Amino acid sequence: EADIYQTPRYLVIGTGKKITLECSQTMGHDKMYWYQQDPGMELHLIHYSYGVNSTEKGDLSSESTVSRIRTEHFPLTLESARPSHTSQYLCASSAYRGQVNEKLFFGSGTQLSVL
Amino acid sequence: AQSVTQLGSHVSVSEGALVLLRCNYSSSVPPYLFWYVQYPNQGLQLLLKYTTGATLVKGINGFEAEFKKSETSFHLTKPSAHMSDAAEYFCAVSDHGGSQGNLIFGKGTKLSVKP
Repeated sequence: EADIYQTPRYLVIGTGKKITLECSQTMGHDKMYWYQQDPGMELHLIHYSYGVNSTEKGDLSSESTVSRIRTEHFPLTLESARPSHTSQYLCASSAYRGQVNEKLFFGSGTQLSVL
Repeated sequence: AQSVTQLGSHVSVSEGALVLLRCNYSSSVPPYLFWYVQYPNQGLQLLLKYTTGATLVKGINGFEAEFKKSETSFHLTKPSAHMSDAAEYFCAVSDHGGSQGNLIFGKGTKLSVKP
């Protein structure tokens, strides 16, 4: 049912590298999100967007940045990866109809490991 | 501020036994409450949600949850566990109340089902 895709599924990278995590959805959803998930911990919202050219910071401070140039695409970028960025990153989308949030659809996640 | 607490990071039941996953919430406004399920190597999927109206809500795969305002609880139950129910379950509350906010998730409860 979910038509939201994240790539890569796994990424192992060295400290200091610039990385971009891709997220695309084919459902025409306006609202998109990035959550950070660590084992045994809450999912924390790090970024969200209401639509094209809209980006907002979530409740967890993050050194990552996002962009929303196209409705279907919401990439997350880390300019200089550090070991503290090691985590699972989950992308999600929902049909935001004015003031109503519909249910969230999640991608399968990107497990990032920074050595 | 809104928050959720899931009691028990790991619950193990036998196949055919009752499943009970506990969730308590804190909210300064009437809450919208959700349960999401994450199967291995997959994204989260909406199991059920409470918005307004009937306090007993039914979801997919035979799960249901009851909103109890006096106990600030939204526990998830299923009368008879199946092996396919083994997954991680996340309780969530809308952060601004109602339908306008973003979701705040609990730490998750991993459900194991023994044959």
